[in-house]
Amino acid sequence: NAGVTQTPKFQVLKTGQSMTLQCAQDMNHEYMSWYRQDPGMGLRLIHYSVGAGITDQGEVPNGYNVSRSTTEDFPLRLLSAAPSQTSVYFCASGPLSSYNSPLHFGNGTRLTVT
Amino acid sequence: AQKITQTQPGMFVQEKEAVTLDCTYDTSDPSYGLFWYKQPSSGEMIFLIYQGSYDQQNATEGRYSLNFQKARKSANLVISASQLGDSAMYFCAMRENYNNNDMRFGAGTRLTVKP
Repeated sequence: NAGVTQTPKFQVLKTGQSMTLQCAQDMNHEYMSWYRQDPGMGLRLIHYSVGAGITDQGEVPNGYNVSRSTTEDFPLRLLSAAPSQTSVYFCASGPLSSYNSPLHFGNGTRLTVT
Repeated sequence: AQKITQTQPGMFVQEKEAVTLDCTYDTSDPSYGLFWYKQPSSGEMIFLIYQGSYDQQNATEGRYSLNFQKARKSANLVISASQLGDSAMYFCAMRENYNNNDMRFGAGTRLTVKP
């Protein structure tokens, strides 16, 4: 079972470059989200989606863009990378948007911006 | 405001002993869920256990149990009979009913199991 698949695992960017982090899930989950993990701060929500065509901002959305054209895919775009975006990024999905539903996470993408 | 607080940045436990990882939370929503995740050095996030705000019994999953004290707003994770493979970061998290699209995480506790 693939679950939530993120690519790439590692990425190094120069300041100002753009890139897309890919996320795909094969569990037919309606809810998908992107988190970033920084030392001492846990995980913080960047953007989320509750279905194809529906996205919204989380706690730290600035500098990131998302779209959801299919149930399976939820890419995260960095428009102009900054050193402050150096972080580990996790994609997560869940069967529905409910307080009693755990999230299933991908294995993460470690991004370094120089 | 910080929703989830984990006050222990690091913990050590002897192999085969039990250990408690602390978590306190803050919410005014009567409906919420509490979660614990494990993050080994390989980096993935592994869901361990869930406790709902209306659950009367403490949740258990194998060697993991959740000591849920609603009035004190605490949801401590208890790991019994620690194993070397339990060495990892552990995150407490919460989803509230009124804002269920955002799972809030604590800063984490790094557990090291000594042989």
